[in-house]
Amino acid sequence: QKEVEQDPGPLSVPEGAIVSLNCTYSNSAFQYFMWYRQYSRKGPELLMYTYSSGNKEDGRFTAQVDKSSKYISLFIRDSQPSDSATYLCAMRGGGSNYKLTFGKGTLLTVNP
Amino acid sequence: EAGVTQFPSHSVIEKGQTVTLRCDPISGHDNLYWYRRVMGKEIKFLLHFVKESKQDESGMPNNRFLAERTGGTYSTLKVQPAELEDSGVYFCASSQGTSLFFGPGTRLTVL
Repeated sequence: QKEVEQDPGPLSVPEGAIVSLNCTYSNSAFQYFMWYRQYSRKGPELLMYTYSSGNKEDGRFTAQVDKSSKYISLFIRDSQPSDSATYLCAMRGGGSNYKLTFGKGTLLTVNP
Repeated sequence: EAGVTQFPSHSVIEKGQTVTLRCDPISGHDNLYWYRRVMGKEIKFLLHFVKESKQDESGMPNNRFLAERTGGTYSTLKVQPAELEDSGVYFCASSQGTSLFFGPGTRLTVL
């Protein structure tokens, strides 16, 4: 079983839609959870960084963590064509171990 | 402020040849990481430097891969000799705290 599972999609939505992206994980040692956005031919760019279970909001983006279910989500409200990218979940253990374990990424297309 | 830079952006070599990838982290970042994405797979950790010291190299595939970080500044990743399965995108990242900043990657193609 992979440590992090993420549906690769692709996911196609109309402009203005609410997008829900999800990852599940199996390693209970994961303490920190991140969402990265990656445009084609670019490196991953950090979008959201969370630690505790619950919700964290930043503009149109909301990250949700449920440690009891080992499930994390990223919601994008009022999606825009510029949100079209691959979204990667990543997670790591605690302490000074900054090694990230990534999901495969979900390719999102927002159609105007 | 300049981000993480990587050189070259793309490299095409033949099996058995040697390739050296370079990463310049964000100035002042002590932590430097190498990751790799093989086609169809997840981005996977290769190794972690703290300044010039290797903190964790548990992700290095085999002894054909050699990473160095001279003086705790830029880093190189050498693959010698390259094999077909080494093809992929090699990302470098740096951090001074908990957030990692990634470079654009080097796309390596081994023919």
